[in-house]
Amino acid sequence: QKEVEQNSGPLSVPEGAIASLNCTYSDRGSQSFFWYRQYSGKSPELIMSIYSNGDKEDGRFTAQLNKASQYVSLLIRDSQPSDSATYLCAVISGGYQKVTFGTGTKLQVIP
Amino acid sequence: GAVVSQHPSWVICKSGTSVKIECRSLDFQATTMFWYRQFPKQSLMLMATSNEGSKATYEQGVEKDKFLINHASLTLSTLTVTSAHPEDSSFYICSARVGDEQYFGPGTRLTVT
Repeated sequence: QKEVEQNSGPLSVPEGAIASLNCTYSDRGSQSFFWYRQYSGKSPELIMSIYSNGDKEDGRFTAQLNKASQYVSLLIRDSQPSDSATYLCAVISGGYQKVTFGTGTKLQVIP
Repeated sequence: GAVVSQHPSWVICKSGTSVKIECRSLDFQATTMFWYRQFPKQSLMLMATSNEGSKATYEQGVEKDKFLINHASLTLSTLTVTSAHPEDSSFYICSARVGDEQYFGPGTRLTVT
């Protein structure tokens, strides 16, 4: 079982819709969770971090964390073509505070 | 957020030569930096963890004699690809942590001909 799992996609949504990206992790002791956006040919950019159960909102982005079910999700409201990118989930776990990245979900927002 | 820079942004070199990539933390001090490699349409692969003033920790399967890492100061880590071969052509990205958050440099695209 992979430590951090994401559906590779592509996830296609029409412009203006809500995009929902999901991530599951295996280490129940994980404490810190992050979402990165990576445009093609560019490096990852941190867009959200979440540490406690529940929702965290930042503009059009909402991160959701459910530690009991070991999943974290990212909702993008009013999706725009400029949101088209690969979204990476990252989790910090273990005594050495290791950051593990998922393989990413490719999002395509169709105009 | 914290700013991490890399230089050069792209480089082309001939097979057998060495290439040095610099990673700098611009507005914070980083005792630890990370070096990743990413091949086209593939996920990030952690190569090594660079620690200021001590030896780097390499991930399994990464040749430490080929990928030399030096973290000489709290704001600079370098990756030298020695005796580069075409299969080393890739996108090399460094990152540094501020607390729990990890920030990435813009990456260096290496092409070995």
